[in-house]
Amino acid sequence: GAVVSQHPSRVICKSGTSVKIECRSLDFQATTMFWYRQFPKQSLMLMATSNEGSKATYEQGVEKDKFLINHASLTLSTLTVTSAHPEDSSFYICSARHGTDNTEAFFGQGTRLTVV
Amino acid sequence: AQKITQTQPGMFVQEKEAVTLDCTYDTSDPSYGLFWYKQPSSGEMIFLIYQGSYDQQNATEGRYSLNFQKARKSANLVISASQLGDSAMYFCAMREAGSARQLTFGSGTQLTVLP
Repeated sequence: GAVVSQHPSRVICKSGTSVKIECRSLDFQATTMFWYRQFPKQSLMLMATSNEGSKATYEQGVEKDKFLINHASLTLSTLTVTSAHPEDSSFYICSARHGTDNTEAFFGQGTRLTVV
Repeated sequence: AQKITQTQPGMFVQEKEAVTLDCTYDTSDPSYGLFWYKQPSSGEMIFLIYQGSYDQQNATEGRYSLNFQKARKSANLVISASQLGDSAMYFCAMREAGSARQLTFGSGTQLTVLP
């Protein structure tokens, strides 16, 4: 099946710094990618929809200036957490879809971000 | 209102037994898809099974089957012959055709398979 690769899997950063997370579709072109955030023992919450060649669509309550999304090619979307704070510590996971509506979204491995 | 409801925060099952994980959904869209994912402690999301709203038969994938009751708006996951490796968090999700095509997830069920 299709593969989505997310990198890094774990990152620790200092407060105030920025962290970039990459999401790549390895064997298909993904015009749309999704970024989710997951707190411990909770469900996945959609943060934004990333569209190749256009601005991302952010969900209500998600700060677009803090969570910068770039989808510059059909195989790569990046999420940059700017000026990270400890409350940004979470599990971030991306997904990508290709084909018709009945194909499953393929997920990356996720990134566990810890801000110290 | 919750679009996807999973009422079982945790479930236990004996190895080799079958287990049913509940999922109900709410939508007014006539066209939608229902998904089940498994999330082990490593965090990756593993696709298990899909059911389309117009599918006449219940979906099956190996030991996984989806008990789709459209009138009741339920899409329960049945795992047969449980294995220790089935211990994980399980999420039910829905995609509505009229939405921006993203998935909406339930709160999840933590399944523990006992030896």
